[in-house]
Amino acid sequence: QKEVEQNSGPLSVPEGAIASLNCTYSDRGSQSFFWYRQYSGKSPELIMSIYSNGDKEDGRFTAQLNKASQYVSLLIRDSQPSDSATYLCAVGWNYGQNFVFGPGTRLSVLP
Amino acid sequence: GAGVSQSPSNKVTEKGKDVELRCDPISGHTALYWYRQSLGQGLEFLIYFQGNSAPDKSGLPSDRFSAERTGGSVSTLTIQRTQQEDSAVYLCASSPRQGRGAFFGQGTRLTVV
Repeated sequence: QKEVEQNSGPLSVPEGAIASLNCTYSDRGSQSFFWYRQYSGKSPELIMSIYSNGDKEDGRFTAQLNKASQYVSLLIRDSQPSDSATYLCAVGWNYGQNFVFGPGTRLSVLP
Repeated sequence: GAGVSQSPSNKVTEKGKDVELRCDPISGHTALYWYRQSLGQGLEFLIYFQGNSAPDKSGLPSDRFSAERTGGSVSTLTIQRTQQEDSAVYLCASSPRQGRGAFFGQGTRLTVV
């Protein structure tokens, strides 16, 4: 049984701070890792993908992967109120074509 | 279009009626997924199509639910004899063979009254 766990939140951070979102997964054979952002009433939007250990940066977003610890995180620097959303972690296998989604963490950035 | 297209955007149906939800994936994407999301809840996997392989139907909640994918492109999710607990947003996503993540459509909000 492949499982993905996230703190449901809400995680509240002040504007300009770093938001840190965490995700753990159960299957050591997982190959690909994704972060999605979902605004209220909207569908999930893919914002980051990471496939190998270490950090991957894209603008204000950094994804971090540690396969030994079965842990993936998303850092959002200089958080803005517009970053307030639910962030879903997804873990894939079969070259990323099968996915399991975590329950999501609700982030609130306070102005 | 450039993205995943779902229709209708909203559907209100009476309990006991059948409904069909349509998904048109991104051109060239071989994998197609259906998920369901109830209000305030996470994504519930329903079914997965990959090319010409047999679909993974392990997430379908009952035999009232079925899905087809014709010609490796458009997919239809059918719910027979709808129940109030079927009310949710039904999301379709597609993914390229290279496994670069799944891209979602805007969803169909189904309300069973």
